[in-house]
Amino acid sequence: DAGVIQSPRHEVTEMGQEVTLRCKPISGHDYLFWYRQTMMRGLELLIYFNNNVPIDDSGMPEDRFSAKMPNASFSTLKIQPSEPRDSAVYFCASSLYGSSYNSPLHFGNGTRLTVT
Amino acid sequence: DAKTTQPNSMESNEEEPVHLPCNHSTISGTDYIHWYRQLPSQGPEYVIHGLTSNVNNRMASLAIAEDRKSSTLILHRATLRDAAVYYCEPSGGSNYKLTFGKGTLLTVNP
Repeated sequence: DAGVIQSPRHEVTEMGQEVTLRCKPISGHDYLFWYRQTMMRGLELLIYFNNNVPIDDSGMPEDRFSAKMPNASFSTLKIQPSEPRDSAVYFCASSLYGSSYNSPLHFGNGTRLTVT
Repeated sequence: DAKTTQPNSMESNEEEPVHLPCNHSTISGTDYIHWYRQLPSQGPEYVIHGLTSNVNNRMASLAIAEDRKSSTLILHRATLRDAAVYYCEPSGGSNYKLTFGKGTLLTVNP
């Protein structure tokens, strides 16, 4: 298996522009998680899905952030409009059953977002 | 969510054992104890997890205290490639999500 695939690996954009980050989870995994990592705040959980349905979006910082999972093999995280404080590394992870059922998370290599 | 306490940093020498401690005194009875590590410029990587009994795999061993309020990740022979941030995170029961604390930065000296 190719693992969790994220694209792009790097994104540089100007403040105010729309940014879309993409994730392909491991086939057969029912849970998908989006995390954000910065030096100041560490690794933060933004949102997670179960069977393509958003379950907990309490970590989404504000309305400028939205995430979708139109099917089991694809998810997007969109920021519109982007701001310099959104600069971070965004990770996507998937797991078979969620972390409560003896099921580790598999992370992608992340997208490094820079907003100027 | 249960909270954890880990040392900010630890140092080890190559080929020596490393014991990484974690306190999770508020852990619930159904929470698993998960350990992940993050190498530089990579996403976190699963290391090991356990519920009550000690666990071993090809990467490490996990020793869980009898009262489950603490655990220790054991790297039997540290290598330079083990230099990473190590996260200890309880999760389980009705909580399907995993949140991460600050972890322990492990430095391995040649």
